[in-house]
Amino acid sequence: DIQMTQSPASLSASLGETVSIECLASEGISNDLAWYQQKSGKSPQLLIYAASRLQDGVPSRFSGSGSGTRYSLKISGMQPEDEADYFCQQSYKYPYTFGAGTKLELK
Amino acid sequence: EVKLQQSGDELVRPGASVKMSCKASGYTFTDYAMHWVKQSPGQGLEWIGTIIPLIDTTSYNQKFKGKATLTADKSSNTAYMELSRLTSEDSAVYYCARDDLGWEGVMDAWGQGASVTVSS
Repeated sequence: DIQMTQSPASLSASLGETVSIECLASEGISNDLAWYQQKSGKSPQLLIYAASRLQDGVPSRFSGSGSGTRYSLKISGMQPEDEADYFCQQSYKYPYTFGAGTKLELK
Repeated sequence: EVKLQQSGDELVRPGASVKMSCKASGYTFTDYAMHWVKQSPGQGLEWIGTIIPLIDTTSYNQKFKGKATLTADKSSNTAYMELSRLTSEDSAVYYCARDDLGWEGVMDAWGQGASVTVSS
């Protein structure tokens, strides 16, 4: 199985701060990488797919980048509603696998 | 509006089975595959498997073969997952999630989740 190593496990950001979350795949996944946001008590919601494509309705302060085995999610200007858990997921090969998640809090 | 309405939370005895449902609305059910995902505190998010309702084809995570059975009823636009021989390890929240039409494996809409608690 492809292992997805996500970092950091948690971070705290101030209002307006730019935040980055990293995801490292155990092998190349050819940009088949999605990012999800999960707010407390809610189901995950798709933010980014194909490493860098923004899902409809997602604010433009969210962006994704990367290639090969290394990918990142950037939030340009932390907002209170961005406080959530974030997960990466590879869809390159079965079984699809997720990162362990990053808990983002507002400082 | 795409909506996936899951059945309610379950409390089940060890060794029993549970069958949960995911009713889809707001899109053509047979045009999209449906995933099932497990979320537990210890294991994070785990992909269980996928069903393509149009042709009743399933793909499973090897870890869940023999544990989960995925089915779909095209007449009621509902996907089902049955979990068998339940143990405490199966206590978790389970989600159904629609597969993105153009990007296989991307989950673009999720149900609200159904909690399963296995306890005597």
